[in-house]
Amino acid sequence: EVQLVESGGGLVQPGKSLRLSCAGSGFRFEDYAMDWVRQAPGKGLEWVSGISWNSGNIGYADSVKGRFTISRDNAKNIVYLQMDSLRTEDTAFYYCGRGRDSGYDLVAHWGQGTLVTVSS
Amino acid sequence: ELVMTQSPATLSVSPGERATLSCRASQNVYGSLAWYQHKPGQAPRLLIYGASIRATDVPARFSGSGSGTEYTLTISSLQSEDFATYYCQQYDQRPLFGQGTKVEI
Repeated sequence: EVQLVESGGGLVQPGKSLRLSCAGSGFRFEDYAMDWVRQAPGKGLEWVSGISWNSGNIGYADSVKGRFTISRDNAKNIVYLQMDSLRTEDTAFYYCGRGRDSGYDLVAHWGQGTLVTVSS
Repeated sequence: ELVMTQSPATLSVSPGERATLSCRASQNVYGSLAWYQHKPGQAPRLLIYGASIRATDVPARFSGSGSGTEYTLTISSLQSEDFATYYCQQYDQRPLFGQGTKVEI
């Protein structure tokens, strides 16, 4: 069974940094793309970032480009989202997702999410 | 800039009725279209990809259709567990979700 477990969420002040982690199990982690998707309070889903199986292809939403960095450690089965220069509008549930195959496009499996609150 | 527009924003239906949800892309996405179901407090769930291919374990009452810029998700006979918010997402370009359709009683 595919399992994705996010961690690292919490309360952070505007302008500060936070790193989210997502541990995958139940599948061959190195074969699949991984994504981060968020949902702000009362809003819809927003794709944030994706990374291909070998980190060779990485993408970001315009709203986070230059501030967030996605990376992965295939030896540890973990994908990360480094979030710098956080803004109040980054407050959201952040979901980790596993792609359908090696390139990021759609999210076939989802974690339960971790809440990030950006507030002074 | 690609924009995904879902309609209606809210759909009020009764159990057993048919529900039809629409998703329009501002550019051709060549069938690279997925549908997700999202219930409060739960992780989203992939229902359909490739515009019409049901994901694993998705009931046959869910069907997707469309091409080019116009796509539809149909739930043939709504069950109580189907009341949720549904999102379309294109993946021809950088992934992008629509704003969602809430299906309520």
